[in-house]
Amino acid sequence: QVQLKQSGPGLVQPSQSLSITCTVSGFSLTSYGVHWVRQSPGKGLEWLGVIWSGGSTDYNAAFISRLSISKDNSKSQVFFKMNSLQANDTAIYYCASGAWFAYWGQGTLVTVSA
Amino acid sequence: DIKMTQSPSSMYASLGERVTITCKASQDIKSYLSWYQQKPWKSPKTLIYYATSLADGVPSRFSGSGSGQDYSLTISSLESDDTATYYCLQHGESPYTFGGGTKLEIK
Repeated sequence: QVQLKQSGPGLVQPSQSLSITCTVSGFSLTSYGVHWVRQSPGKGLEWLGVIWSGGSTDYNAAFISRLSISKDNSKSQVFFKMNSLQANDTAIYYCASGAWFAYWGQGTLVTVSA
Repeated sequence: DIKMTQSPSSMYASLGERVTITCKASQDIKSYLSWYQQKPWKSPKTLIYYATSLADGVPSRFSGSGSGQDYSLTISSLESDDTATYYCLQHGESPYTFGGGTKLEIK
């Protein structure tokens, strides 16, 4: 049974960074990529980036300067880090995997506020 | 970037009614198109992948069609459990892009 479980803070101070861990089970990170998507009231669903099974990454150009995705295959964990958060980064952040985003994490509600 | 224009943005339909939601891509996406259902405070759930393939466990009243730039999701006979927001996603070319969503409510 495929599962993606997210862990990370719900509140981030403006200009600080956001770190979320996505721990997967039921498949190997050497077989499938893991994507990151966010959902905010103003912009709907937005694809942020992906780390592929081989370890290469692809980022949405809008976030490339402040986004980093890495992973530890042995721990089945994917690490998401976004820097310099502002109020408009307030959103639910999801990890998703599978060829067509078949499987999704539970989401992490992130509020950027002092 | 490929723009996905989804319509309608919201709609009301009656139980048992046939419902169709469309997505138009700004260029040919070669059937790299998926459909998702999202209920409030829940993660998106995959309904259709590669434009026409039904995901595991999804009721057969859901179907997908289309090719090239034009795609649609059809619910053959609306049930109360289908109240949700529906999204399309093109995953053929980075950056992957979603449609704006269709909020479906029961009349």
